[in-house]
Amino acid sequence: EVQLVESGGGLIQPGGSLRLSCAASGFSVSSAYISWVRQAPGKGLEWVSVIYSGGDTYYADSVKGRFTLSRDTSKNTLFLQMNNLRAEDTAMYYCARHYSAFLSLYSPFDSWGQGTLVAVSS
Amino acid sequence: DIQMTPSPSSLSASVGDRVTITCRASQDISNSLAWYQLKPGKAPNLLVYEAYRLEVGVPSRFSGSGSGTEFTLTISGLQPEDFATYFCQQYYGTPTFGGGTKVEIK
Repeated sequence: EVQLVESGGGLIQPGGSLRLSCAASGFSVSSAYISWVRQAPGKGLEWVSVIYSGGDTYYADSVKGRFTLSRDTSKNTLFLQMNNLRAEDTAMYYCARHYSAFLSLYSPFDSWGQGTLVAVSS
Repeated sequence: DIQMTPSPSSLSASVGDRVTITCRASQDISNSLAWYQLKPGKAPNLLVYEAYRLEVGVPSRFSGSGSGTEFTLTISGLQPEDFATYFCQQYYGTPTFGGGTKVEIK
């Protein structure tokens, strides 16, 4: 069974850093495209970042230069390093696997985690 | 970015009702459209992709239609477990999502 479990969220002051984890099971992260998607309170979902099966990473303009996505294939886990956090980064953060049959950023998400909450506030 | 606009933002319905939710894209996205169900504290669940293809395991009372800029998710015979928020996603370009439609009990 495919499963994604996020962790690492919490309350952090503006300008601070946080590292989110996404532990995958039931498939190998090195053979999938996986994105982080966030939902701010009362707002819609926003795509944040993707890591391709080959390891390339891409980011939304809103987080470029502040967030870094990486993975540890030995642990089958992804990491989202978030630096210089702002109030507008407050959101539930989900990791989601792109539909395996597509193997593309331009695809639906066939599996999601339950999310981890990040609150940026002084 | 391609903007996705849901309609309505919320609706009230009863068990057994037929419910229709619409998503409009700001440009032609062909059939690159997915629908998800979201319940509090749970992982989002893919219902439909390619605008009309039902994901494996999704009940047949869910159906999707449309192409270009107008898309519809229909629930034929609303069940108690269907009260949730539904949102659309386009993947013609970098993924963007509609704001969601909350289906509440009348």
